[in-house]
Amino acid sequence: NAGVTQTPKFQVLKTGQSMTLQCAQDMNHNSMYWYRQDPGMGLRLIYYSASEGTTDKGEVPNGYNVSRLNKREFSLRLESAAPSQTSVYFCASREALQSYNEQFFGPGTRLTVL
Amino acid sequence: GDSVTQMEGPVTLSEEAFLTINCTYTATGYPSLFWYVQYPGEGLQLLLKATKADDKGSNKGFEATYRKETTSFHLEKGSVQVSDSAVYFCALTPRAGGTSYGKLTFGQGTILTVHP
Repeated sequence: NAGVTQTPKFQVLKTGQSMTLQCAQDMNHNSMYWYRQDPGMGLRLIYYSASEGTTDKGEVPNGYNVSRLNKREFSLRLESAAPSQTSVYFCASREALQSYNEQFFGPGTRLTVL
Repeated sequence: GDSVTQMEGPVTLSEEAFLTINCTYTATGYPSLFWYVQYPGEGLQLLLKATKADDKGSNKGFEATYRKETTSFHLEKGSVQVSDSAVYFCALTPRAGGTSYGKLTFGQGTILTVHP
């Protein structure tokens, strides 16, 4: 039982390049989330998926797209990377959109955009 | 909107000292409250949670009590260890309804360093 896995762990991009961050969970969770973590700002929600086939914008969606490929996988795409997207990205999952359930987090992807 | 405010860090303590990290929140109704911990180079792990007023969450010697009257969820530990050095995040999830249902709102995090 691996929990939430993310690939890659580290990535360096040049401005304007594109890439996709991969996330998978093996806990049969319905809801999945993408966050970015920046110094002094905690974690901010980029996009989330309440269930397979649905996605919604979070607090900071500009410059990103997501795909809920199936129940297990939720990917985050940067179409044209910018230096402002340098951050640590975390994927998370939760059993369902119910208030008492915690979210389970992956180990993160550290992205640098030059 | 919902928000979480944590005490400013970093916090530096000697081993076996008492720890308090303050957390206050603003939310409609009765949110669920969480403390997450992030060890260096790792993702976030749930430390403890409370889902209704006066609930006390506890784990690994850490405790926090859901205080609705003061909208607070302060984290405490009686005797910290070097291995407790990490970043601690307070977070909330609102109850059902509204556009923020199901989402976690985080505080900015508090860095804790414990010296031998």
